[in-house]
Amino acid sequence: DIVMTQTPLSSPVTLGQPASISCRSSQSLVSSDGNTYLSWLQQRPGQPPRLLIYKISNRFSGVPDRFSGSGAGTDFTLKISRVEAEDVGVYYCMQATRSWAFGQGTKVEIK
Amino acid sequence: EVQLVESGGGLIQPGESLRLSCAVSGFTVSNNYMTWVRQAPGKGLEWVSVIFSDGRTNNADSVKGRFIISRDNSKNTLYLQMNSLRAEDTAVYYCATYDSSGGAIDYWGQGTLVSVSS
Repeated sequence: DIVMTQTPLSSPVTLGQPASISCRSSQSLVSSDGNTYLSWLQQRPGQPPRLLIYKISNRFSGVPDRFSGSGAGTDFTLKISRVEAEDVGVYYCMQATRSWAFGQGTKVEIK
Repeated sequence: EVQLVESGGGLIQPGESLRLSCAVSGFTVSNNYMTWVRQAPGKGLEWVSVIFSDGRTNNADSVKGRFIISRDNSKNTLYLQMNSLRAEDTAVYYCATYDSSGGAIDYWGQGTLVSVSS
């Protein structure tokens, strides 16, 4: 099974400053069709998860452009260019190349 | 607009069964992949089960042989039959849609809480 490992597990950030979350998979996420099915989700307190990014770097409908994704193979990154108060929550990476698996989550909070 | 509304959660004793429902609107269940994801209290997300557009299903090892995912195309509703429940199955259960072309779970319901305790 593919294991997804996120770092850091907690990220205190100053409003207006950038934030970065890393996600590493135990195997390459490149699928046999050439795509890499790595997505990022945000879960605000008391809310269900919400899709932010799919296939490494594609923003989902309605997602602000301060969110961006990058990476390849086994190493991926979610960046928030300027953190806003509404960005507080837990962020998860998820792979769907072989079955489905989530990272353990990274809590973003304001300093 | 895609909407998913789960129901059927509650407090149940170990070993008993429960069926969750997910009423879907704005999206055709039979033509797409549908999935269940759960979240234990204070914990992360865990994928549970999927039903593909062709009717095939797959479950996580943690629930294999105990949980059954199904759908009613006429009602556009997804189900999760949960048997032989254990304390470790206690979680909020989310119904969600899976976009196979994007490889992502794109729409989520609000979730329903299942508590397994004696």
